[in-house]
Parts: sequence; C-alpha cells; structure tokens
Amino acid sequence: DQQVKQNSPSLSVQEGRISILNCDYTNSMFDYFLWYKKYPAEGPTFLISISSIKDKNEDGRFTVFLNKSAKHLSLHIVPSQPGDSAVYFCAASARGSGNTGKLIFGQGTTLQVKP
Amino acid sequence: NAGVTQTPKFQVLKTGQSMTLQCAQDMNHNSMYWYRQDPGMGLRLIYYSASEGTTDKGEVPNGYNVSRLNKREFSLRLESAAPSQTSVYFCASSPSRQGQYFGPGTRLTVT
Repeated sequence: DQQVKQNSPSLSVQEGRISILNCDYTNSMFDYFLWYKKYPAEGPTFLISISSIKDKNEDGRFTVFLNKSAKHLSLHIVPSQPGDSAVYFCAASARGSGNTGKLIFGQGTTLQVKP
Repeated sequence: NAGVTQTPKFQVLKTGQSMTLQCAQDMNHNSMYWYRQDPGMGLRLIYYSASEGTTDKGEVPNGYNVSRLNKREFSLRLESAAPSQTSVYFCASSPSRQGQYFGPGTRLTVT
C-alpha cells in the first residue's frame, strides 16, 4: 500500500517556465512533508518542507503548497533552470512517529529542464 | 564535517555471499536509517535506529540485519545475498523529524 504517491514518473519543461511536481498521500496521520532532490550517483538532499498547520511555504524559487482536504501537495519551481534537472522525492512524516524522524517516500519524479 | 559517509561505493557479490555495508555520521544525530532505491519504487526503508542501542524494522527488512554500533555508526548486513537485493543502498541520519541527511550511496549488484 503506497501511502505517498507521485503519479508522474517524469516531467519536461522549458528553462524559465514553471515546474509543478505533484504528490498525493493517503495517511491522515501525516503532519509534516518534505521534498528531496537527487542527482545521479549522489544521495538525496533536502529541498523544502511544510508542516500541516500551513498551506504554503516558500524558499527562493521553490514553493510547496499543501491541500490537506485533498491530501495533496505540490512543489513549484519558478523559474526553472537546467541545474534543476534531477529526481524529486516527496516524503511524509506521521504524527506519533515521535523522535524517530521516520519518513515515507514517494516513487520520485524525474524533472528535465531544457535550455 | 564529512556528514554521512558510506563504504563501499560499489560492490558485486555472487548469490549466497555475505557482506556488510558501513555507514557513519559525524553530526551527532540520534536517528539513523537504511534505504534501498529501486527504479519506480522510490526510497524504501529497510531498518532504522531511533537512538543508540535500538533498531526497528522498516518496510522491507527481510534478508537484512543491522547493528547500531555506537551513536556514529550503523551497519547493514546481507547474510546470504540474492539477485533481488541488487539495488542502490542509502544510509541517512536525522536529529529530529525535521529532515534526514543522506550518504552518497552504495551500488550493489548480486549475480
């Protein structure tokens, strides 16, 4: 049972345009969400996060939106740059996971930004 | 700070062989994790350790064992490797729920 789903395996956008990556979740106990970025042959790196008490968090070109009623979050990258080409993972943490920091990851979306 | 380090970077095993993947972090984090990444499957948690002296199973623990040697080190052991364990393995550490820091990964092939 996939609790965190990224239904688009890949996305291609033109440099300068907006990239929108989507993520859906099923577990209503999730209350903290993160996005990670992964380049080939490297480990994932943290990008941005959002708590369930918010519906938006912005950091430079990256904004994450959370729609709790739809159990949906999205990552917006504006403007997209070729260096943003990577695999993006959505992850969630459940209330009650205590201090374990345990995360559930989605399958990932490969973003290609064309010059 | 080196962050999270993993050894080896690459390994080829024959079916039935055993090996241990090593992971160390120098950030004084309490929690450590082992994941495997397979195409189309994302990152799946194998085992985690919330603190020194404790370990717990994740989503896909079968065929693996772990040891939290001390606060810095968390190793993953394959006792009898199988082709289904061909994957990229990532170790991570975390100070809290606020996010995890990943190592560079170990690419394992079992023939």
